[in-house]
Amino acid sequence: DAMVIQNPRYQVTQFGKPVTLSCSQTLNHNVMYWYQQKSSQAPKLLFHYYDKDFNNEADTPDNFQSRRPNTSFCFLDIRSPGLGDAAMYLCATSRDNGRAEAFFGQGTRLTVV
Amino acid sequence: TQLLEQSPQFLSIQEGENLTVYCNSSSVFSSLQWYRQEPGEGPVLLVTVVTGGEVKKLKRLTFQFGDARKDSSLHITAAQPGDTGLYLCAGAPGANNLFFGTGTRLTVIP
Repeated sequence: DAMVIQNPRYQVTQFGKPVTLSCSQTLNHNVMYWYQQKSSQAPKLLFHYYDKDFNNEADTPDNFQSRRPNTSFCFLDIRSPGLGDAAMYLCATSRDNGRAEAFFGQGTRLTVV
Repeated sequence: TQLLEQSPQFLSIQEGENLTVYCNSSSVFSSLQWYRQEPGEGPVLLVTVVTGGEVKKLKRLTFQFGDARKDSSLHITAAQPGDTGLYLCAGAPGANNLFFGTGTRLTVIP
């Protein structure tokens, strides 16, 4: 089945230690998104790619970076995780049909110790 | 300032009751979507509304897009415990930057 897969489902990292979260898709969608979702809150858009064009939200901290080496894969790098970065990180994809209908992975829950 | 405001934020009702969730914005959207999210999972798309005034039905769920395309509502008839979850409206003010509303957490008590 075509899908969006995030690895790992759970990630524990140390305060200040760089961490990378992965996302892959078999939908061949040209738009990919990264969201941060904290407990009891709605997902917050960090950035998105249209093909290789990177679009950063104005309030996304510099601590968060992303790479998209090809259509299928996208990575979220957190350079120096703080306790406040503990959250669920969601990857999503959509086609460029003007509706931005997103298909989500199961998320990676990040714990910072 | 949130682009999309939802109300109520929390809703706890008895099985069999009806409910309505609202999604409001001061911006015009070419389309709005509704998602449902269960704990520990990603949101799942329920519906997209595109035309002002449009009404779409998905079993016991009825979605409406406001005439001015600035707001939307979700009505659930005869709620069931399986409807429990976080309901999110979403829209893209630009080409692909999809933003979510503030969310409505629904609990249906058996």
